[in-house]
Amino acid sequence: AQSVAQPEDQVNVAEGNPLTVKCTYSVSGNPYLFWYVQYPNRGLQFLLKYITGDNLVKGSYGFEAEFNKSQTSFHLKKPSALVSDSALYFCAVSSGGFKTIFGAGTRLFVKA
Amino acid sequence: EAGVAQSPRYKIIEKRQSVAFWCNPISGHATLYWYQQILGQGPKLLIQFQNNGVVDDSQLPKDRFSAERLKGVDSTLKIQPAKLEDSAVYLCASRGGTGDLVDTQYFGPGTRLTVL
Repeated sequence: AQSVAQPEDQVNVAEGNPLTVKCTYSVSGNPYLFWYVQYPNRGLQFLLKYITGDNLVKGSYGFEAEFNKSQTSFHLKKPSALVSDSALYFCAVSSGGFKTIFGAGTRLFVKA
Repeated sequence: EAGVAQSPRYKIIEKRQSVAFWCNPISGHATLYWYQQILGQGPKLLIQFQNNGVVDDSQLPKDRFSAERLKGVDSTLKIQPAKLEDSAVYLCASRGGTGDLVDTQYFGPGTRLTVL
């Protein structure tokens, strides 16, 4: 069965510092991995995805994520956090593009 | 291009009443999803359509929830009768871009349902 774990309910970081939001997954077959961001009273907004190819994926707003097959992880990163990055972040996985399972979400708080 | 549209944005009803949500996906997107997002949790898939056919409704509480996608475009999700535990945000998403975007789901703003 597919599953996604986001081990941190909240991540706190100072503006200008690097940030990491963690995600691990379990899936049979080749994983399709996604990161979405959700701002208050808004739907989920696509950030980036890994399907195949380079393990380091670059996405919107300066975010990137690294696929690590041996550790079954897909951590979201950004070199320099902005206050405006404060939001709820969801990791998601599907096998072969079928049913997508979302993690419980990690709230990112960036303080000025 | 226009995004996924949903209405209403907010709905408050009493338990045992019925409610319906509407979704208009991105033009040309063949796949449409309805998710339930309970406060503090990630979205949970309720039903997936491919054109006007159901692909997956394994987590849809069929005794009270129903959904349809007539003509393979718009979709409605209905709850009848509603229970207190149905209070959640109902998200609609569509997928069907081309090239690099073919696997990406695009979400609407959601409908926040409160059942009293």
